[in-house]
Amino acid sequence: EAQVTQNPRYLITVTGKKLTVTCSQNMNHEYMSWYRQDPGLGLRQIYYSMNVEVTDKGDVPEGYKVSRKEKRNFPLILESPSPNQTSLYFCASSPPGGGYTFGSGTRLTVV
Amino acid sequence: RKEVEQDPGPFNVPEGATVAFNCTYSNSASQSFFWYRQDCRKEPKLLMSVYSSGNEDGRFTAQLNRASQYISLLIRDSKLSDSATYLCVVIISGGYNKLIFGAGTRLAVHP
Repeated sequence: EAQVTQNPRYLITVTGKKLTVTCSQNMNHEYMSWYRQDPGLGLRQIYYSMNVEVTDKGDVPEGYKVSRKEKRNFPLILESPSPNQTSLYFCASSPPGGGYTFGSGTRLTVV
Repeated sequence: RKEVEQDPGPFNVPEGATVAFNCTYSNSASQSFFWYRQDCRKEPKLLMSVYSSGNEDGRFTAQLNRASQYISLLIRDSKLSDSATYLCVVIISGGYNKLIFGAGTRLAVHP
């Protein structure tokens, strides 16, 4: 089954403790992105990648890092999480010019 | 001004009603248009693409007016299962197909 898999689905952590949210897709898509979704603000892009070793900032990149060492994986790294990064996170992938497929989401709470 | 604007709703309609959602976008470089559906706490899922000539998929009809930079979605014969948030999505032309999301319009269909 074609899908985007994110882990974990839920995470509660403390301020300053580094964490990684993994994302993997099995559709051989070139493009991958991370979004966060907050009430009233909709989905905002954090980082995106057009292919292996090609990443760039989205609209809200502060406090996040990403890497794209393999085509299928695009982890999101929070080096020092803060409470304002409490949010619902989605990973997505697409072929060039195509529609996006989203992962099931990661609900992160930073206390 | 937001790049993609939608009426947040909620639209509360009875089963069987016809309901229309509108969306405006500000970037004239927008090249592709979509409606996504998002159920509570779940990932967005592609509902349909929007073409200049207008397109229909069962009870759903999408229209695009490039001159007015306006997109619409019409749902006929609403079902309880149509209750969700509908996201207007625009892709900006360029090297990367960046999705710009509206904040969404919430639809609640009641018996």
